[in-house]
Amino acid sequence: AQSVAQPEDQVNVAEGNPLTVKCTYSVSGNPYLFWYVQYPNRGLQFLLKYITGDNLVKGSYGFEAEFNKSQTSFHLKKPSALVSDSALYFCAVRESTGGFKTIFGAGTRLFVKA
Amino acid sequence: DTEVTQTPKHLVMGMTNKKSLKCEQHMGHRAMYWYKQKAKKPPELMFVYSYEKLSINESVPSRFSPECPNSSLLNLHLHALQPEDSALYLCASSQENERDYNEQFFGPGTRLTVL
Repeated sequence: AQSVAQPEDQVNVAEGNPLTVKCTYSVSGNPYLFWYVQYPNRGLQFLLKYITGDNLVKGSYGFEAEFNKSQTSFHLKKPSALVSDSALYFCAVRESTGGFKTIFGAGTRLFVKA
Repeated sequence: DTEVTQTPKHLVMGMTNKKSLKCEQHMGHRAMYWYKQKAKKPPELMFVYSYEKLSINESVPSRFSPECPNSSLLNLHLHALQPEDSALYLCASSQENERDYNEQFFGPGTRLTVL
């Protein structure tokens, strides 16, 4: 069975500093990994995904994620945080055998302080 | 148009009421989803439609009844709900190929309160 873990409930970072939001996964086949962001009282927005290819994936709003197969991780990163990046971030995995089901991590709340 | 719209934004209903949530997209996506999200929790999948046919029902109680009248519309009919059903209900869509692992586009949600 597929699963994702986000070990941190909350991450605090100062504006201008680099940020990392952690995600580890467990899958029985090839991992298909996603990051989504949710602002208050809004739906989720897609940031980036890893399907195959380069381990460093670039996405929206300056975010990137590094796929590490040996550590089964897919951490979200940004070189310089903005106050407007403050939101709830979800890591997610799709079933590797096909199908539409996406399994979301518990979420990590990011606070960026000015 | 890369938007998923949902109506209403807010809904308050009694346990004996019947109401419906509506979702619409014009991106040509043939997979549409309903999720339930409690505060500070991840979305929980309820239903998936693929080409207007129900593909996944995650053992959702029958007081929730989905409907997909056409490729652009998705409804969720509500009847005899319980207070614990109060949540944010999210609609999403994605391109139709199950094995392309496409991302989902989410609507803003309907905030449902059951009294």
